Formats: sequence, C-alpha cells, structure tokens
Amino acid sequence: EDKVVQSPLSLVVHEGDTVTLNCSYEVTNFRSLLWYKQEKKAPTFLFMLTSSGIEKKSGRLSSILDKKELFSILNITATQTGDSAVYLCAVLNYGGSQGNLIFGKGTKLSVKP
Amino acid sequence: ETGVTQSPTHLIKTRGQQVTLRCSSQSGHNTVSWYQQALGQGPQFIFQYYREEENGRGNFPPRFSGLQFPNYSSELNVNALELDDSALYLCASSRFQGTTQETQYFGPGTRLLVL
Repeated sequence: EDKVVQSPLSLVVHEGDTVTLNCSYEVTNFRSLLWYKQEKKAPTFLFMLTSSGIEKKSGRLSSILDKKELFSILNITATQTGDSAVYLCAVLNYGGSQGNLIFGKGTKLSVKP
Repeated sequence: ETGVTQSPTHLIKTRGQQVTLRCSSQSGHNTVSWYQQALGQGPQFIFQYYREEENGRGNFPPRFSGLQFPNYSSELNVNALELDDSALYLCASSRFQGTTQETQYFGPGTRLLVL
C-alpha cells in the first residue's frame, strides 16, 4: 500500500530556531514530491521536487529530495511566529489517474516568540 | 491566494441527507481533484475529473460522486450522509498537458458537519 510518513508530528520551537521536517515515502508510481503549508484551510504550495539532490529554496525555506532513500526534508531557518502552521508532504502518484496526491499526516509547527 | 474558489464555506447537515459542494478552478486549469481532510489528518484523495469524466478514484464508496462542467468547474455530491463524512473538503485544480500534470493548487475548502 502506498504511504507517506512525516515526522515529527508536532514541534514547538522559539523564534530564530532552525527546524528540519522529515518526509519518507513508499509510492509505486512516484512522479514528484510536494510540500504544502496549511494555516487554516487551504494548503498553499511551497515546493515541487522531481529530481534527487537538487535543493529548492524560497527565502528561509529550502527542501531536497533523495529518490534513492525515498525521503525529503524541509528546512526552515530563522523561524518566525508566522511560520506556525501544519506542513504537509505529498507525493504525486500516477497510478490510475493523471496524478493524485498521497499526503502524510502533516507536521504541526508552533513557533513561540 | 490561488484562483480556486469553493462554496459554501461551511455546511451543517443531518445523517441521511445529501449535499453538493462546488469548486471553480483556476484560469487555464483543466483538471479538478477532490480531497477529504478529517481533523488531524492529511487530505485523502476522493476522485479527479478531466475533460468532464472521472479520471481516477480513491478508496471512497459510490455515494461520493461528482461532475465536471465544460468551464472546468466541478461539483462533489455525497448521498446518505454519515457522521464520519464530517470533514474539510478540498478542491484542487491543475493543468494536464500531454503526459504531465502540473502543480495542484487548492481552494479554501468547505467545512461539512454531519449531525
């Protein structure tokens, strides 16, 4: 059965800390791995990773994919209270559709002032 | 903000009733996917629509059905509502070109409560 596992499930840090969120996957028809940030309702897109070893960066956020070991990490440096959210990892799966997302349970990040 | 909109934002129904949720996709997108997100869980894939046909389905019973219209907007219908159907329902739109699906962008969701 295809699955995506995120760790930790929750994390409490203080402003200025650096955090690393983990995502491992076992998906038969893997196409790409995506990270989303969910604050209230709509998950907002952060990164799409398709190739191994190529880091993607956006401001204080960065992410990398290892397709050999089947995992990805999301790093957030110099955290701010506005980074508090649930971070979702998803794999774009091409089995039986033109691509559906298989999500992990998410990591709930709380950044305290 | 994405250009994906959903209505209504909140809904309360009782067991056994039927509900219709609506989604307008982002301009230029031709594919709509629906997900169910229970409290504390990641979204679960319900089904996907492309060219007005269902194009892939997750592990949901037939009482979950949908439509896609020529303008690419979509509806999710749930019959015979059960308490466990209480969840946030998310719609995501994307563009499928050739053999590649681009990034899925999510709408704000509809929060359904079944009493």
